[in-house]
Amino acid sequence: LAKTTQPISMDSYEGQEVNITCSHNNIATNDYITWYQQFPSQGPRFIIQGYKTKVTNEVASLFIPADRKSSTLSLPRVSLSDTAVYYCLVLFSGTYKYIFGTGTRLKVLA
Amino acid sequence: GAGVSQSPSNKVTEKGKDVELRCDPISGHTALYWYRQRLGQGLEFLIYFQGNSAPDKSGLPSDRFSAERTGESVSTLTIQRTQQEDSAVYLCASSQGQGLYEQYFGPGTRLTVT
Repeated sequence: LAKTTQPISMDSYEGQEVNITCSHNNIATNDYITWYQQFPSQGPRFIIQGYKTKVTNEVASLFIPADRKSSTLSLPRVSLSDTAVYYCLVLFSGTYKYIFGTGTRLKVLA
Repeated sequence: GAGVSQSPSNKVTEKGKDVELRCDPISGHTALYWYRQRLGQGLEFLIYFQGNSAPDKSGLPSDRFSAERTGESVSTLTIQRTQQEDSAVYLCASSQGQGLYEQYFGPGTRLTVT
């Protein structure tokens, strides 16, 4: 059964780096990993997407180990406005189902 | 349009009634997705449409749920004989294609079944 799991919540302070991990044990060769950010009463917003090794854009980095059974979203120097819920999303190409992770509620403290 | 729009933004209905939720995707996006998000929980994939291909309906939670899409435009999600457990935010997203493309989400429709 395709499944993705994440820590329920994390606290951090402004200026720190935050790493959020997602486990996706059943990921297949052709499956991509995408991360989204969601603020209250809004739809999720795309952050970053990757397939293997490391991807970096202007807001985050995504680390994917060789076995690809997990991925880590890294947010450098978080600010109060980064307080949100973060979801990983895997498209399991075998069943063509889009499976969101359980979500990690990040709280950034001053 | 500028983004994905959904209507209504809020819907309160009595148990047993039918409801229809609408999604207008970004113009030119061939793929469209529906998700359900219960209060305080994550997103549950329901169904997606890609172009004129037949959608995979196996993610729909029961036969009371159905979805239609006309070409590459508007989609409607219909819930028949609503139950209290159907109360949730229903989110629609669209993308340029399926698979690798970023999904752009609408603001959602908050459905409350009393």
